[in-house]
Amino acid sequence: GENVEQHPSTLSVQEGDSAVIKCTYSDSASNYFPWYKQELGKRPQLIIDIRSNVGEKKDQRIAVTLNKTAKHFSLHITETQPEDSAVYFCAAKGGTGNQFYFGTGTSLTVIP
Amino acid sequence: KAGVTQTPRYLIKTRGQQVTLSCSPISGHRSVSWYQQTPGQGLQFLFEYFSETQRNKGNFPGRFSGRQFSNSRSEMNVSTLELGDSALYLCASSLGALSITDTQYFGPGTRLTVL
Repeated sequence: GENVEQHPSTLSVQEGDSAVIKCTYSDSASNYFPWYKQELGKRPQLIIDIRSNVGEKKDQRIAVTLNKTAKHFSLHITETQPEDSAVYFCAAKGGTGNQFYFGTGTSLTVIP
Repeated sequence: KAGVTQTPRYLIKTRGQQVTLSCSPISGHRSVSWYQQTPGQGLQFLFEYFSETQRNKGNFPGRFSGRQFSNSRSEMNVSTLELGDSALYLCASSLGALSITDTQYFGPGTRLTVL
């Protein structure tokens, strides 16, 4: 089945700096890649997603890029703010069973 | 539109007992997936139900089972609880369509503690 790896597991940045989280996947049939943000004690919330026929997608301060050839996709957060502090999960869908496969999460801390 | 709801929010059980967790999906959603979340292990997929049928299954022992009702509500059961079953159990609902962007929306989770 699909295997999604996510790096780094923890990330600390100064407020205003950029943060980048990277994920790789193994199943070339995967075609949908959402990103979720989970604040402490809360449920994961979808923040952005990308389909395999798109290379990049932006939504204000967040963007996701996808490299199908290399089978990796990344989340970029610019001008980070303390409220960006959370655990971020990447996921891949569309391969075997058409189910979601999640990365192990990145704990982002934005230092004021 | 109301979000995904889960009950109960917290549970404390002892080893050997069994537990049933409930999930009500977003209205109109026919797929419900269950995940186990533990520190450092991310989201481990348990199973997915669609139209009352198990459509996908993760690598968990048979002690973990589930079902879905005709109104799409789902229950998850864990029998013979072990200490390692302590975790946050999340359910997620989606339309269940096989389209590319059939996105999952998560419930708040049930925090299970096994003593």
